[in-house]
Order: sequence, then structure tokens, then C-alpha cells
Amino acid sequence: GENVEQHPSTLSVQEGDSAVIKCTYSDSASNYFPWYKQELGKRPQLIIDIRSNVGEKKDQRIAVTLNKTAKHFSLHITETQPEDSAVYFCAASIRVRDNRLAFGKGNQVVVIP
Amino acid sequence: NAGVTQTPKFRILKIGQSMTLQCAQDMNHNYMYWYRQDPGMGLKLIYYSVGAGITDKGEVPNGYNVSRSTTEDFPLRLELAAPSQTSVYFCASSTGTQAGEQYFGPGTRLTVT
Repeated sequence: GENVEQHPSTLSVQEGDSAVIKCTYSDSASNYFPWYKQELGKRPQLIIDIRSNVGEKKDQRIAVTLNKTAKHFSLHITETQPEDSAVYFCAASIRVRDNRLAFGKGNQVVVIP
Repeated sequence: NAGVTQTPKFRILKIGQSMTLQCAQDMNHNYMYWYRQDPGMGLKLIYYSVGAGITDKGEVPNGYNVSRSTTEDFPLRLELAAPSQTSVYFCASSTGTQAGEQYFGPGTRLTVT
């Protein structure tokens, strides 16, 4: 089955700096890659996603890049702010027919004011 | 729209007791999912459903059961609760027309002692 790994597990950045989180996946058939943000005690919420026919997608300070050959995708957060502190989960589609996702273990991002 | 709702928010069970975690969505989504989240372990799929009357096992189904009699509701049943079932449980739904966003409920924090 699909295996999704995230690196690093914890990332501390100074406010205003950029943060990059990388995920690798194992199944070359995966074609959908979302990123979820989870604040402490809250539910995961989608912040950005990318499909396999696109190499990069941006939404204000957030961007995701996908390298299908290497089977990895990354989340980029620029000009980090304290409210960006959260756990970020990447995921990869397992099977389109039932929209199942395989999630990584999550990255704790801490933005230091 | 209320989105995805879950009850209860918190519950403490004694070993061997049973309970049902409720999940409902008002977005007319066909696809629904149950996950458990353990600290540092990401989201693990317990059961999922692609429509009323259809359910299937996910990654960690042992000790749980589900039913899907309506499009809106997807309850998760714990029989003979064990300490290993202490976790945060999230219900999610999606349209399922293609691999896409899963919308999460607020979660149920369950402790088995």
C-alpha cells in the first residue's frame, strides 16, 4: 500500500523566515496530494492541494511543489507568522475510486516571534 | 451548513464497555471516513463508506464496527473497549467525484481506563 513519510518531524523558524516541509510517497499511481493544517485541539483543515498533472501551485504565502519522478512533494510557507504554528500533515491518494488518503505522521512547525 | 458534526466531544470509558461515536454531515457527501489520531502517528483510517449501505475496512478496523443507513450519518461502534482504543477520533466526508478534499469533524477524544 501507499506509504507517506514527512521530514523533518519538528521545524522551528524565526518569524518572517520561510519554512519547507517535504513528503515522500511510494505509489507511483497516486495522483492527488493535499496538505492539512491542524492547530492544537482542532480538526485538520485543508490548506492547499496539488494534482499529478501540475508541478506547482501557490496560494498567497503557501505553495506546494510536486516531483513525480522522485515521488516527493513539498510545502513552502513564506514570511511565516505566529499563526502558522501548527502541525502540518501531507497525504497522498490511495485509490481514486473511494478517495482514500494515506497520511504522513505530521510536522510540528513552531514560529518564533 | 453545519458541515461535519461529531458527538460526544469527550468520553471516558471503562475497559469492556461499549459506545457509539456519532457522525453526521449535511453536505450531501457520498463518501465518509473514520480516522483515529494517536500522538505523533498521524491519521489512521478505521472504516470508510462510499454510499448508504456500503462500508469497508480501512487500515485499523479491529475492535470497531460501522453502519451507513443514510447518506448523512456514519456512526462508529466500539465493542469491549480496550486501553489501546484511547485516541482522538475524527470523522470526515468528501464528494468522491474525484480524489479531493476531505472535510473533517471536530473530533471525539476518547479515554479508556
